[in-house]
Amino acid sequence: GQQVMQIPQYQHVQEGEDFTTYCNSSTTLSNIQWYKQRPGGHPVFLIQLVKSGEVKKQKRLTFQFGEAKKNSSLHITATQTTDVGTYFCAGLSGANNLFFGTGTRLTIIP
Amino acid sequence: DTGVSQDPRHKITKRGQNVTFRCDPISEHNRLYWYRQTLGQGPEFLTYFQNEAQLEKSRLLSDRFSAERPKGSFSTLEIQRTEQGDSAMYLCASSSLFNEQFFGPGTRLTVL
Repeated sequence: GQQVMQIPQYQHVQEGEDFTTYCNSSTTLSNIQWYKQRPGGHPVFLIQLVKSGEVKKQKRLTFQFGEAKKNSSLHITATQTTDVGTYFCAGLSGANNLFFGTGTRLTIIP
Repeated sequence: DTGVSQDPRHKITKRGQNVTFRCDPISEHNRLYWYRQTLGQGPEFLTYFQNEAQLEKSRLLSDRFSAERPKGSFSTLEIQRTEQGDSAMYLCASSSLFNEQFFGPGTRLTVL
């Protein structure tokens, strides 16, 4: 079955440092989405990538979709305390259900 | 409030009892999804509706689980004969054709 793995599982960074999480799928994806879940909250949509090699930016966040459409990354520049949470990638492989990754939990040391 | 709502927010039940959860999606969204999330894991897909039609159901979903969306608006998820392993957060999400999913706050189920 389809699997979406994320690394690292946990990341602790000093405020102001950069952060990157990587997502790998066992199958080719039609698109990939990224969600953020704050502690005690529900997942909130961040972005969707569709094209091979696509790069999108949202302020300090940069999202990439791999050329083979099997991997993706999220990079945050100069982290802030508001970035705390778990970041999930979720892949869509043609069907209508998303397969969520295992998530990367980001904590910030002030 | 025009977001996705879920009721109840918390449910504690004894093993063997039946429980039912409700989800009210964003009104103009025709797609509705149910997920289950346990601590430290990502949401796990359970089932998906387009309007009132249940189009996909996870193979991991046992026969004790059933979901309905009778008029293509709100949806219910029922778990019969609950087991301790059913304890989890049950999330509902809705979307339009553009695939971005809007999640509700979830129903936290605890089976004693």
